[in-house]
Amino acid sequence: AQRVTQPEKLLSVFKGAPVELKCNYSYSGSPELFWYVQYSRQRLQLLLRHISRESIKGFTADLNKGETSFHLKKPFAQEEDSAMYYCALLEYGNKLVFGAGTILRVKS
Amino acid sequence: DSGVTQTPKHLITATGQRVTLRCSPRSGDLSVYWYQQSLDQGLQFLIQYYNGEERAKGNILERFSAQQFPDLHSELNLSSLELGDSALYFCASSVEGNSPLHFGNGTRLTVT
Repeated sequence: AQRVTQPEKLLSVFKGAPVELKCNYSYSGSPELFWYVQYSRQRLQLLLRHISRESIKGFTADLNKGETSFHLKKPFAQEEDSAMYYCALLEYGNKLVFGAGTILRVKS
Repeated sequence: DSGVTQTPKHLITATGQRVTLRCSPRSGDLSVYWYQQSLDQGLQFLIQYYNGEERAKGNILERFSAQQFPDLHSELNLSSLELGDSALYFCASSVEGNSPLHFGNGTRLTVT
């Protein structure tokens, strides 16, 4: 069963437009969720984690337990935001499970 | 620089062969994770070691094995290679528990 779902393979927006990358999870316990980003030809990097409740590079993500979602948002997209974004869930046993990823393409 | 080192960067080999991928975790990190990233499967968790012991297992084939050595570096062994094993193999490390993962740059394996 899919534990982390990222429904969009590709999201294309214009520079300056708002961005929302969707992530839904399925987990019986108290979830711990992360967003990782992979820029072209680079390693994956942690973008943010829900327990930190911080904003990194203008991105925020709020855990919504009712909707089992952890969508990543940014009010104004920049070209340098173009990358692959992965939502990840830390499962029991310290196993970090990733969604399929969403490619964000910001057009000028 | 995440501090996680993976070697080699690229590996090209033939079907049926065996390869070893190496990972040195960040200084102080006790946990090492291996992931396989392919176009059709996305990022798949393979296996995790903590301080030399296997801690969690994911979608790792029987042809694949891994270990973590006393100096905490880890090796992922892939044998009887098939074309479908071509992928980017990432290693990541963390202190432990729910600490964020720090990824290496990956080893790109091409099986011909």
